[in-house]
Amino acid sequence: ETGVTQSPTHLIKTRGQQVTLRCSSQSGHNTVSWYQQALGQGPQFIFQYYREEENGRGNFPPRFSGLQFPNYSSELNVNALELDDSALYLCASSAGLGDTGELFFGEGSRLTVL
Amino acid sequence: AQSVTQLGSHVSVSEGALVLLRCNYSSSVPPYLFWYVQYPNQGLQLLLKYTSAATLVKGINGFEAEFKKSETSFHLTKPSAHMSDAAEYFCAVSDSGGYQKVTFGTGTKLQVIP
Repeated sequence: ETGVTQSPTHLIKTRGQQVTLRCSSQSGHNTVSWYQQALGQGPQFIFQYYREEENGRGNFPPRFSGLQFPNYSSELNVNALELDDSALYLCASSAGLGDTGELFFGEGSRLTVL
Repeated sequence: AQSVTQLGSHVSVSEGALVLLRCNYSSSVPPYLFWYVQYPNQGLQLLLKYTSAATLVKGINGFEAEFKKSETSFHLTKPSAHMSDAAEYFCAVSDSGGYQKVTFGTGTKLQVIP
């Protein structure tokens, strides 16, 4: 059984640039959630995708957007990067709506914005 | 809105001593509750979950947690700390409905002293 994989693991961008982070969900999972974890904080919910549709969004501006593909992999896009976007971005997959909400996390993509 | 509060951002225990990490939740519906562990530079791993089947929940690595509705608490315990338990621990809550937004606490960093 393949776990959740994320790429890239680390990246550095400058303010104003755009970034795309990628996530492959665990085999058999059709739901992907993205979280932002700032240094010293707990993960904050960005949004969730279920069967290629956004299924809920946290308190993040529209410059944070996403996609889910037919194979349930997902992308997180952030436009017009700001210094405060520096964080660990975590992708988590789960078995689908109606499940207990147990999340299976990847190891994250650490973004540094200079 | 659902939320969790973790008391104590840092906890230190001696090797072999009791581990107690505190979590209180707030939820307008019967919640699902989780404890996750995060080792340095890694994603989060599920330790245990409460889904209303039993109030005392046993997880991996000898950890357990007790759901107390009257106290709105879900504290994590382990009878005897091991050096490998040093990590950051996150309490989390999810509504029991279909929408799977999971809300995390701010985390408690556990230090184990030899």
